[in-house]
Order: sequence, then C-alpha cells, then structure tokens
Amino acid sequence: GESVGLHLPTLSVQEGDNSIINCAYSNSASDYFIWYKQESGKGPQFIIDIRSNMDKRQGQRVTVLLNKTVKHLSLQIAATQPGDSAVYFCAENSALANAGGTSYGKLTFGQGTILTVHP
Amino acid sequence: EPEVTQTPSHQVTQMGQEVILRCVPISNHLYFYWYRQILGQKVEFLVSFYNNEISEKSEIFDDQFSVERPDGSNFTLKIRSTKLEDSAMYFCASSRASGAAAGTQYFGPGTRLTVL
Repeated sequence: GESVGLHLPTLSVQEGDNSIINCAYSNSASDYFIWYKQESGKGPQFIIDIRSNMDKRQGQRVTVLLNKTVKHLSLQIAATQPGDSAVYFCAENSALANAGGTSYGKLTFGQGTILTVHP
Repeated sequence: EPEVTQTPSHQVTQMGQEVILRCVPISNHLYFYWYRQILGQKVEFLVSFYNNEISEKSEIFDDQFSVERPDGSNFTLKIRSTKLEDSAMYFCASSRASGAAAGTQYFGPGTRLTVL
C-alpha cells in the first residue's frame, strides 16, 4: 500500500561507538540552533544549542558543530548508549521573524534522523 | 526540575466538535508556544504567545484555532470545529525569553488528538 509520512534518515550504531547526525538548514538569517531528542510517544527534549557566532559547542557526551558557510549543523554523540536511541531533530530560530526584526522564538524543525543503538 | 505539563494525554473527538488542549508552562517562563506533529512527520510551529497576545502564527493556525492564558498558570489551545486532518500530537512549549537571547524552548509530553 501507499506509505504515509516522511521516510526519515536512519543511523544504526553499536553501543560505545560515536554517532554523527547531520542537518542542513535553509535560512541564512537563522541565528540560533538547537538539537532535540524525541523518544517514542514523548515531546522533544532539549539536548544542546549553539548561537551563530560560534562554530562548536560541547556538552556532556555531545558536541554540536555549525558551518554557516554551507548551512550545516551536526550533532556528535560520544560513546553512544542504548538509551540514546530516539529521533533527533535540529531546529533553527530566525532572528528576523517580522519586519520589525524581532524574533518571537518560532522554531523551524528539520526532518529528523532515527538513531538506533545496538547493544 | 520544573517541566511543562499537558492534559489530556490523549483526546478522541468526533469531526466538527470543539476541543481544548491544556498546558501548564514552566512557572517563570514568559513565552508560550504550540506545535503539532502529524504521525511520522516533523514538528510544525503553530503559534507563539507573549504578554497575553499572539506574537506569531503559522498558516496552519487559521480561524478555527485560538489560544488563551485564562489564569496565571494555564495556556490553552482551542480548535473550534475539528477536522480529520487535525489528528496529530500537539506539543506545548515555553521559554524564559525568545530568540537567541536565552530562548531555549522546553516541550511538554504532548496531547495526542484523534479526530474520527
């Protein structure tokens, strides 16, 4: 039968490996980027964010890299664990939400990547 | 740790009926949002709300939708006459500020709306 919805990119890794999840964003005016993790049946959970005046930011076991030249964002997860299995979304926030130039926080989400970690 | 809560977790309704989805944002947050996610698709922005008025809304947020902050803690999304295509997960989010100035949005667990 006909499939419904998007076919999300998938990444399968072994426990202990490092994972890299990629995201391309579209709006060159975006100045704030966030990675969210979404487990089945739950809301998006904040992982890490980065502002456009930075190209790298590290958290606990996670690193976000931002390449504004090619409008690319990546999330690196070190020593991936089975509990990291989820859908990962990047989101961007545009500085120019309206003619006044004030951002009201609208997030534009990417397509999502399914990460599966095998024990 | 404070969190955004939403009720109900699952709402089933007949097409044409009104539904109200409820959210309690994090208590010291000033900006509130509704997003929706159709099954298997990405999260989509519906509306943002600040200082008791809508700041921004998407094309999805038509005249059938409305939001309200009836008291100091609740934030509601009303769909006046539901359609089949309104079936989705609806997420509430809140943030202390907006944009790049500490605007991290924290999401609730969602309400699954099923329109029959």
